[in-house]
Amino acid sequence: NAGVTQTPKFRVLKTGQSMTLLCAQDMNHEYMYWYRQDPGMGLRLIHYSVGEGTTAKGEVPDGYNVSRLKKQNFLLGLESAAPSQTSVYFCASSYWFGELFFGEGSRLTVL
Amino acid sequence: GIQVEQSPPDLILQEGANSTLRCNFSDSVNNLQWFHQNPWGQLINLFYIPSGTKQNGRLSATTVATERYSLLYISSSQTTDSGVYFCAVSKDTDKLIFGTGTRLQVFP
Repeated sequence: NAGVTQTPKFRVLKTGQSMTLLCAQDMNHEYMYWYRQDPGMGLRLIHYSVGEGTTAKGEVPDGYNVSRLKKQNFLLGLESAAPSQTSVYFCASSYWFGELFFGEGSRLTVL
Repeated sequence: GIQVEQSPPDLILQEGANSTLRCNFSDSVNNLQWFHQNPWGQLINLFYIPSGTKQNGRLSATTVATERYSLLYISSSQTTDSGVYFCAVSKDTDKLIFGTGTRLQVFP
């Protein structure tokens, strides 16, 4: 039972490049989330999904897109990376109003 | 939206000491969770506690929903307790809002 798995763990991009972060969970959770963590700012919600085929905006959605084609996977895309998107990205999943379980994080640096 | 404030922002303890971390929130909530982020960055769920009191070993938490605060107690602290403790809340939504955390350092 792996829980929540994120790939890749580390990535360096140049400004303007694109990339996709993959999150996979094996707990059959309906809800999945993408957060970013910046120093001194806690965790901020980027996008989330309440079920397969659904997505919704969080607090800081600009510059990101997401897709939930399968219940167990939640993808976060950056179409044109900017230095302001340098951060640590966390995926999480839960049942409805249940405990939130996090992946190990993905550290992204945009030069 | 709901505002979440945690105090103190930083806490330094010697091993064996007890501590209390506080989370204040600006509106009624029906979901409140405490998390520990260890020095390697891993986020672990400690408690799901929208109201009442729960205990897990040396850790316990109390949420007084009517007064809009929650407390996390750490007894007989150990160096492995070091890290950042986050409180997160939501009201009638699926979106948890996080506080900025309390950074705890425990020295031997």
